[in-house]
Amino acid sequence: DGGITQSPKYLFRKEGQNVTLSCEQNLNHDAMYWYRQDPGQGLRLIYYSQIVNDFQKGDIAEGYSVSREKKESFPLTVTSAQKNPTAFYLCATIDRTYGYTFGSGTRLTVV
Amino acid sequence: GQQLNQSPQSMFIQEGEDVSMNCTSSSIFNTWLWYKQDPGEGPVLLIALYKAGELTSNGRLTAQFGITRKDSFLNISASIPSDVGIYFCAGRNAGGTSYGKLTFGQGTILTVHP
Repeated sequence: DGGITQSPKYLFRKEGQNVTLSCEQNLNHDAMYWYRQDPGQGLRLIYYSQIVNDFQKGDIAEGYSVSREKKESFPLTVTSAQKNPTAFYLCATIDRTYGYTFGSGTRLTVV
Repeated sequence: GQQLNQSPQSMFIQEGEDVSMNCTSSSIFNTWLWYKQDPGEGPVLLIALYKAGELTSNGRLTAQFGITRKDSFLNISASIPSDVGIYFCAGRNAGGTSYGKLTFGQGTILTVHP
């Protein structure tokens, strides 16, 4: 079945560590997005990519980095510069009806 | 960035009751979307609205795109326990460098008592 796969489901990070969250899609969609979700704040855009080898900062890009070497993949690295990384991270693509398809998310916790 | 004001923040209702929630914005959107999120999962699209004044239904759900393009509402009729979850509104503007970017409301947490 076509869809978006995020891994891992749960991730624990020590202070000062970089961690990478995986997002893979087989929907053949060009655009991919990373959102962060905190309780009571809805979803906030971190980075997005419209085509391979191109990406743009969203509203809260500081402390994060991405790459888009393949159409199917859009990994997100949470760097040590992100001071409050504990959150639920969602990857999404967009279809022709301009609706998002979301992955099932990765819950990142700093320990 | 832009913000959508979604209300209410939470609702506690009895099974069988109708539910209404809405979103307002200071900016105009070309598309309004409503999503539902179950715990620990990604949001799932419920209804998409593309035209000012549009009223669209999906089963027990009805949503409208406000005439001013600055608001939208979602109604759920005859609620059932599986309606429990977080409901998000989202607005989208076409064109420019904001391709595909959605702005989300803060969410409405719905609890349905059997």
